[in-house]
Amino acid sequence: SQKIEQNSEALNIQEGKTATLTCNYTNYSPAYLQWYRQDPGRGPVFLLLIRENEKEKRKERLKVTFDTTLKQSLFHITASQPADSATYLCSFAGNNRKLIWGLGTSLAVNP
Amino acid sequence: DTEVTQTPKHLVMGMTNKKSLKCEQHMGHRAMYWYKQKAKKPPELMFVYSYEKLSINESVPSRFSPECPNSSLLNLHLHALQPEDSALYLCASSQDPGLVGNEQFFGPGTRLTVL
Repeated sequence: SQKIEQNSEALNIQEGKTATLTCNYTNYSPAYLQWYRQDPGRGPVFLLLIRENEKEKRKERLKVTFDTTLKQSLFHITASQPADSATYLCSFAGNNRKLIWGLGTSLAVNP
Repeated sequence: DTEVTQTPKHLVMGMTNKKSLKCEQHMGHRAMYWYKQKAKKPPELMFVYSYEKLSINESVPSRFSPECPNSSLLNLHLHALQPEDSALYLCASSQDPGLVGNEQFFGPGTRLTVL
């Protein structure tokens, strides 16, 4: 079945450093991947979408890459801030157009 | 207006109660979704409405009954729920259900507790 795997362990980094989160997928070749941010008790917030023909996409301090050979997307937050602490979810639309979600990676940025 | 609103924010109900969750968007989106989310899990799709018609029901028990009165509103009617139905219920919308890659806009959710 189509599946997404994200770092299951929480990621702790120091303020100012770059956070790198990983999303690996199997049994499918999605046309695009989406990244969302979710704060506790709140709905996910869309951050970035990257298509299969795009190697890299940037938005302010965020950068996403998409490697269709490795079946992997990397999500980078540069110059991280404590306000970036949240859970980050990777998703793609499966062959029935329903979003398939990873479990998310919890990021904690320490001041 | 780029917001999805949900009411109420919190809901506590007994197993014999009937209640409803409400969701509203004014972005002109033609797809609307109900998700259920348990702690430390990703959102789990329940229903999809496409152009105000139910297009996907993920084998959700009949104690959950969705309704889409118009293109801006989505309701979820609850009846005879079980304690294991306690979760965060999220509403989302997207521009066009047929578009590949269209992002979903989520509401803040309703925290439901079933006693």
